[in-house]
Amino acid sequence: QVQLVESGGGVVQPGRSLRLSCAASGFTFSSYGMHWVRQAPGKGLEWVAVIWYDGSNKYYADSVKGRFTISRDNSKNTLYLQMNSLRAEDTAVYYCARDEYSSSFPHSYNWFDPWGQGTLVTVSS
Amino acid sequence: DIQMTQSPSSLSASVGDRVTITCRASQSISSYLNWYQQKPGKAPKLLIYAASSLQSGVPSRFSGSGSGTDFTLTISSLQPEDFATYYCQQSYSTPIFTFGPGTKVDIK
Repeated sequence: QVQLVESGGGVVQPGRSLRLSCAASGFTFSSYGMHWVRQAPGKGLEWVAVIWYDGSNKYYADSVKGRFTISRDNSKNTLYLQMNSLRAEDTAVYYCARDEYSSSFPHSYNWFDPWGQGTLVTVSS
Repeated sequence: DIQMTQSPSSLSASVGDRVTITCRASQSISSYLNWYQQKPGKAPKLLIYAASSLQSGVPSRFSGSGSGTDFTLTISSLQPEDFATYYCQQSYSTPIFTFGPGTKVDIK
């Protein structure tokens, strides 16, 4: 079945780096855009970044732009999030999610399905 | 940037109740609106996409409506497994996406 499994979370000091991974299975990974979404403790969902199916385009939320980098290795069916210059406010559960879409005008309808189980990142000294 | 609001922020309801959650966008987003359900400690789950299309496998008691700036998620008869937090999400400004702040549905 379609599955996404995140890993790489943990406790890290402010200013340090961490790389998250998301292993995909059960579908043709190289055919789908992928997202990272985060959720701070007790808070709502915040979209973080998206990468096109072939890695050709990447977009970021303003809150992480210039610090985080999304990437993928289609040969390994794996999505990554490189997080640099981490701050306390980056503390959250990080989810990866597959981009699904339906063609329409002026642009396609997009939604996130499925989601991984999440990995917790805690930024603290 | 498109801002999303939801009302109420929380509600208490009983099994069998009809529940309505509202989502409002700061500008017209046509039908580019999705709904997700999240239970404590779990990942979000897609319920409705494109404002009114029911995701495969989602019970028919869930329905979505609306267009432009105002949208509604309705649960026709609340079941014990429906107690959760519900989020709307706009995909009009793709590739930038925005979620609403969530509506928590708990037991009265």
